[in-house]
Amino acid sequence: GESVGLHLPTLSVQEGDNSIINCAYSNSASDYFIWYKQESGKGPQFIIDIRSNMDKRQGQRVTVLLNKTVKHLSLQIAATQPGDSAVYFCAAPGGSQGNLIFGKGTKLSVKP
Amino acid sequence: GAVVSQHPSRVICKSGTSVKIECRSLDFQATTMFWYRQFPKQSLMLMATSNEGSKATYEQGVEKDKFLINHASLTLSTLTVTSAHPEDSSFYICSAGASSLAADTQYFGPGTRLTVL
Repeated sequence: GESVGLHLPTLSVQEGDNSIINCAYSNSASDYFIWYKQESGKGPQFIIDIRSNMDKRQGQRVTVLLNKTVKHLSLQIAATQPGDSAVYFCAAPGGSQGNLIFGKGTKLSVKP
Repeated sequence: GAVVSQHPSRVICKSGTSVKIECRSLDFQATTMFWYRQFPKQSLMLMATSNEGSKATYEQGVEKDKFLINHASLTLSTLTVTSAHPEDSSFYICSAGASSLAADTQYFGPGTRLTVL
């Protein structure tokens, strides 16, 4: 089955700096990955996704990189803002019911 | 994107009572809805999967008689926590998918905070 995990439980960055959040996965057959942002007391919010036929995908201020060789993906946030403070989860389909399996989450704190 | 709502957003109840949480897909028909539970500072854990018109599939360790799921229509699934106890206090989140959407697409509701006294 799939398991995803994050290297660091917390990340603190200065406003304006770039943030990098990492995620490792175990199932080399996984072909789709998603990053979610969860603010306190709210449900997960879709940020960006990537399929395994790509190495990189860019959105607005966010970039996801996928390294299939080492089964690792990262979320890069450019010019991090206070509003980016949240817990970030990587997720991948892999459950027996077609559900998503979530990583443990990284709490991003942005210092003004 | 598609919108999923949950009601109530927050509920406090006494131990032994039952609580019903609704999950609605507002602008699409959800053939499948997933119910997750999230304890403080932890990740989302799947509780059960509900498909419209059929019985829900529960994950190992989740009591189906305690967490009743009904998916009576393509836009509504309900989770009823029966005889709630303080250890059931958690953040309950639903997500919905549809055959009309991309196969892997799931949209999450805003969550329901349950506190059992």
